[in-house]
Amino acid sequence: DQQVKQNSPSLSVQEGRISILNCDYTNSMFDYFLWYKKYPAEGPTFLISISSIKDKNEDGRFTVFLNKSAKHLSLHIVPSQPGDSAVYFCAASADKLIFGTGTRLQVFP
Amino acid sequence: ETGVTQTPRHLVMGMTNKKSLKCEQHLGHNAMYWYKQSAKKPLELMFVYSLEERVENNSVPSRFSPECPNSSHLFLHLHTLQPEDSALYLCASSGTSGGVSSYNEQFFGPGTRLTVL
Repeated sequence: DQQVKQNSPSLSVQEGRISILNCDYTNSMFDYFLWYKKYPAEGPTFLISISSIKDKNEDGRFTVFLNKSAKHLSLHIVPSQPGDSAVYFCAASADKLIFGTGTRLQVFP
Repeated sequence: ETGVTQTPRHLVMGMTNKKSLKCEQHLGHNAMYWYKQSAKKPLELMFVYSLEERVENNSVPSRFSPECPNSSHLFLHLHTLQPEDSALYLCASSGTSGGVSSYNEQFFGPGTRLTVL
């Protein structure tokens, strides 16, 4: 049973537009949420995180939103750039990190 | 070298071979992890070492044997693997928060792509 789900395996967005990546979780004990970005032939790199006591965290073009009642997390990238094309993993933590299956984002010119 | 490094980057082995994967972190962290990433599956946590002691073993078959000789190095010894063990093996490390190992913001190596024939 997957505790962290990314139901969209892929997303295609035009450069300059907003990219919205979604993540759902089932375990109400999760208290920390993270997004990782992965390029081919590289390991995942930490992008942005949010604690369960917050509902929004912003870092430059990246904003993560947390809706605890819906057990839903989203990552907004605006404006999207071609260099953002990668696989994005959502992860949630109680005592260890649980990862989703990833969403492949493609930003086209 | 900076960050987390892994060697080899690619490995092809037969089912009767014995090989080892190596991970080294240059971040001064005190927790290290092995993950397995199979196609279309989430990253699966295999082992966690905190302060050189194994704190987690996620029901991993005994054909995978981890070793953490110090806080900077982590090995994964492989023997008599099966073709279904073919995957990307990722190493990660993390530091402390308030004196306690933080499992949250982990830094990953590039991975070893393992193929078992």
